[in-house]
Amino acid sequence: QSALTQPRSVSGSPGQSVTISCSGTRSDVGGHNYVSWYQQHPGKAPKLMIYDVSKRPSGVPDRFSGSKSGNTAFLTISGLQTDDEADYYCCSYAGSYTWVFGGGTELTVL
Amino acid sequence: EVQLVQSGGGLVQPGGSLRLSCAASGFTFTIYAMHWVRQAPGKGLEYVSAISTDGAGTYYVNSVKGRFTISRDNSKNTLYLQMDSLRAEDMAVYYCARYANSAYDYWGQGTLVTVSS
Repeated sequence: QSALTQPRSVSGSPGQSVTISCSGTRSDVGGHNYVSWYQQHPGKAPKLMIYDVSKRPSGVPDRFSGSKSGNTAFLTISGLQTDDEADYYCCSYAGSYTWVFGGGTELTVL
Repeated sequence: EVQLVQSGGGLVQPGGSLRLSCAASGFTFTIYAMHWVRQAPGKGLEYVSAISTDGAGTYYVNSVKGRFTISRDNSKNTLYLQMDSLRAEDMAVYYCARYANSAYDYWGQGTLVTVSS
């Protein structure tokens, strides 16, 4: 199972919006609505930000939103804040009890 | 408060074995599937293994099949990962994670496994 494809890095200024893409196949992203997104600060465990493509867990600001089109999922962060600077990973169920992550995207808040 | 507290990492020689533990508290352990996810140094996250609520179903990424064994003791609220025949490419921080709503909603603190002679 190949990793999902994410851009290595994205950047934005405080207050701006950024979108991170996560490209897969019909076997994973395109075939299931089980895409999740994780934020990871250096040296810390990942934190769930989005599940089931577009749902936010309790406590996650509504500045974070998720969507999907075909085989590609997207995480949009609006009103960027300095604390949003972190690595972001997408994850999708890929069938037959397998899960696949993206390679990760480093977000820099300029 | 949901907590997943990991133990058992460390340095092991290639070909050696190690067992990781993940003690759960603050939730009903028996109704959640549990997973192990790893992260090699400077790399991304990788799904390693999953186990069903009763332990009857166990699943692995191809690269660890036949070498790793996931298990759980519901009487002790503890998840395990037995790792045998360890290779250099298994070196990573290993996280246990609770699987709920098709996502990993809580994570352990991570434990480093170093495979080196």
